[in-house]
Amino acid sequence: NAGVTQTPKFRVLKTGQSMTLLCAQDMNHEYMYWYRQDPGMGLRLIHYSVGEGTTAKGEVPDGYNVSRLKKQNFLLGLESAAPSQTSVYFCASSSMDGSNQPQHFGDGTRLSIL
Amino acid sequence: GNSVTQMEGPVTLSEEAFLTINCTYTATGYPSLFWYVQYPGEGLQLLLKATKADDKGSNKGFEATYRKETTSFHLEKGSVQVSDSAVYFCALSVKQGGKLIFGQGTELSVKP
Repeated sequence: NAGVTQTPKFRVLKTGQSMTLLCAQDMNHEYMYWYRQDPGMGLRLIHYSVGEGTTAKGEVPDGYNVSRLKKQNFLLGLESAAPSQTSVYFCASSSMDGSNQPQHFGDGTRLSIL
Repeated sequence: GNSVTQMEGPVTLSEEAFLTINCTYTATGYPSLFWYVQYPGEGLQLLLKATKADDKGSNKGFEATYRKETTSFHLEKGSVQVSDSAVYFCALSVKQGGKLIFGQGTELSVKP
């Protein structure tokens, strides 16, 4: 009954370091999403994928890259971390076009950039 | 463009009080509307949804009606409990890729 699993849950980086956040879903969902959550700003879409091997930019894509090599996994990369990327990151998935199907969220990754 | 505006929080209520959290939206076409809830330290969970005008979504005593004429989707509950303390997000969906546009969230705190 895992649903959407995000790793790691917490991470502290220094400015300029790189890292990859992993999202895995076991619901055979086609669509996957990465959001960031900042105080007073709700959730903002970074990148999304409508199927294995596809990715697209969301509202705030700069400074991030993504890959969807396997249907169940969606990776978010920070090549050179900046303090402005300190945030809580959420991954989500949905079975079809989320206009009618709900998105299922992971528990988040809290990332601090010093 | 597409956007969602929620009433600002935090909202503090006593147990058994009536709850209203206002949500209005701007969208092209006919979006679906959602309320998500985030409990402390957790991800977002779908609370309820409505996919067309005049639909009423309901779950766990919460209700919201899709009002096209006022572009609103206000969340209501007749009697809140301490366990309802959480952050509530209103959202609309965009057809392309199923993307969600979120409001800024409203924090609810219910005191015994």
